[in-house]
Parts: sequence; C-alpha cells; structure tokens
Amino acid sequence: QLVLTQSPSASASLGASVKLTCTLSSGHNSYAIAWHQQLPEKGPRFLIKLNTDGSHIKGDGIPDRFSGSSSGAERYLTISSLQSQDEADYYCQTSDTDIVVFGGGTKLTVL
Amino acid sequence: QVQLVESGGGVVQPGRSLRLSCAASGFTFSSYGMHWVRQAPGKGLEWVAVIWFDGSNKYYADSVKGRFTISRDNSRNTLYLQVNSLRAEDTAVYYCARTVAGHRGLLEYWGQGTLVTVSS
Repeated sequence: QLVLTQSPSASASLGASVKLTCTLSSGHNSYAIAWHQQLPEKGPRFLIKLNTDGSHIKGDGIPDRFSGSSSGAERYLTISSLQSQDEADYYCQTSDTDIVVFGGGTKLTVL
Repeated sequence: QVQLVESGGGVVQPGRSLRLSCAASGFTFSSYGMHWVRQAPGKGLEWVAVIWFDGSNKYYADSVKGRFTISRDNSRNTLYLQVNSLRAEDTAVYYCARTVAGHRGLLEYWGQGTLVTVSS
C-alpha cells in the first residue's frame, strides 16, 4: 500500500534553513512526488515536482529559496533564508494508477 | 494564467445532495486530467476523485465511492462533482486541481475551494 509519511511539525529560526522530509512506503522508491504549501486559511499551492533522481520543476513564481532533493525512499523540501511568510503546512503528494495519496502534512513554525 | 474557480458549496442537511462546479481558464482544459480534493476543518488534505482529460476514466476514494460522481464538460471548460447522500463527515472545503503536464497523478494548480457543511 502506497503511504507517504511526514513529521507532524518542524521549526527553524528566521533566516535559517529547514529540510522537510517525506518518506515513501516500501516498494515505492521510484515514485515522483509533489510538494504543496498551504498558508493559514488559504488553499494549497504547488511548490515542486520532485523525481527520484532529485531533478525537479517548480511552480509558477516559486522563489529559489525552495528546492527539492531525493535519496532512496526519502523526498526532501529545503527552504533557505526562512521568512515569516513561510510559516505554513507543507504536504507531499504522489499517485499510483490514478489514486492520489497525501502525506499527513508538516506544520512549519518560523521562530 | 491558469485559474480554477469552484462554486456550489453551502449548508445542506444529511442525506441531501449538491453539485459542485469548477470553472477552468488559462489552459486547454480538454488536455488535462482533473481532481477533486477535500479538507475537513482542522484536518489534512484528502483526495476524492479524478477524471481523465477526455472523461473516459474516473476513479474515487473508497470513502465516497457510490455516493459521489465526477464529470466534466470540455465544451464549457467545467469540472463537476455530484455529491449525494451527504453525511456529517463530508463537511469540508472542496478543491478542484489540475494535473502536472505529463503526469496525471501529480497536482499543479488549485482552486480557492468551496465549503460544504452538512448539518441538520
């Protein structure tokens, strides 16, 4: 069964970097994923499509501070030079034969 | 630019029905698969359904199978979700989303959502 696992919360200081992790379930190491950001009281916004080899494409207007990388079953979202407006929920998402799966989301707090 | 605008939400009694709509613009609607995703208050994102670019295939989450129907009208650039036999646990913001080009399972553009509240 395809499952995405995320830590429920993360925190980092203003101006620092943070690396969020999304783990694919066993047997699904080759799956591409997408990262989405959801600001408080807003709809989700696509950030990055991330492939197994770490190559990625970004959504419209997504700044260079956001980047993605991969290692085995892990997919990462790194946000550098953290700003207060980066405080949000971050979801990873993938699919298997048209069925879409979301991770539980990580709530990022900027200290 | 790509725009997705949902409508049709509201307050409805348990057991009743609604039809949600999603008006698309800024891209060739008939070339993309489309999804519905919902989010209950204070909860994470839950995938609901997908329809292929030409309407030939549709898939549903187990939680809505048999009660919800996804459809599209490519001549009107509009996506629909017919929601029947509504339950309290269907209360959520419903989003439509377009797929990434070349990958019908990854979502790229989202609407602003429409709120469905099921309450007596």
